[in-house]
Amino acid sequence: QQPVQSPQAVILREGEDAVINCSSSKALYSVHWYRQKHGEAPVFLMILLKGGEQKGHEKISASFNEKKQQSSLYLTASQLSYSGTYFCGTELGSGNTGKLIFGQGTTLQVKP
Amino acid sequence: DGGITQSPKYLFRKEGQNVTLSCEQNLNHDAMYWYRQDPGQGLRLIYYSQIVNDFQKGDIAEGYSVSREKKESFPLTVTSAQKNPTAFYLCASSRGGIQPQHFGDGTRLSIL
Repeated sequence: QQPVQSPQAVILREGEDAVINCSSSKALYSVHWYRQKHGEAPVFLMILLKGGEQKGHEKISASFNEKKQQSSLYLTASQLSYSGTYFCGTELGSGNTGKLIFGQGTTLQVKP
Repeated sequence: DGGITQSPKYLFRKEGQNVTLSCEQNLNHDAMYWYRQDPGQGLRLIYYSQIVNDFQKGDIAEGYSVSREKKESFPLTVTSAQKNPTAFYLCASSRGGIQPQHFGDGTRLSIL
């Protein structure tokens, strides 16, 4: 049931772009994205809903392919502050419970 | 400022001992969640509560117990039945349903 994230880790230079993918074997109702810096609490980035609605961050975009049960997070013109571990959380079935199953995370390191 | 407060930040448990982790929020959120995070892993849901006096088991509830007597508070007890309790525990809250979850700073639990 746990979604699979890819890649596991990525290293970028400032200004480069990255894509992080999240795939599920189950039908998804919503996908949530969070970023966690080392030793800190996760911070909300984006929610993508079945049907195309999005809620979230101005500088980060994402997509949700309901047929493929997959979401992708697009980080453009990366900044040093983008470094951290990115988690997707998936809500299955009919949704609206707030119960999320998180992927194992993708570690992003942005270098000067 | 509104937020979620977890205490203590560090906690040590002796063999056979129950310990309780505190989680308080002043965001007026209906839903609250407890997650466990192991090194290099994603977040796994222990328990969640969508309303006062009601809570549901998550994916790894064995060895844990919770109560939700007040809207602001959702304490987690790690019982002696939890044989591998060493982990980083995160509490979160949300307005419920498909809404962002706001996380506390976590409690790191270790075994003496």
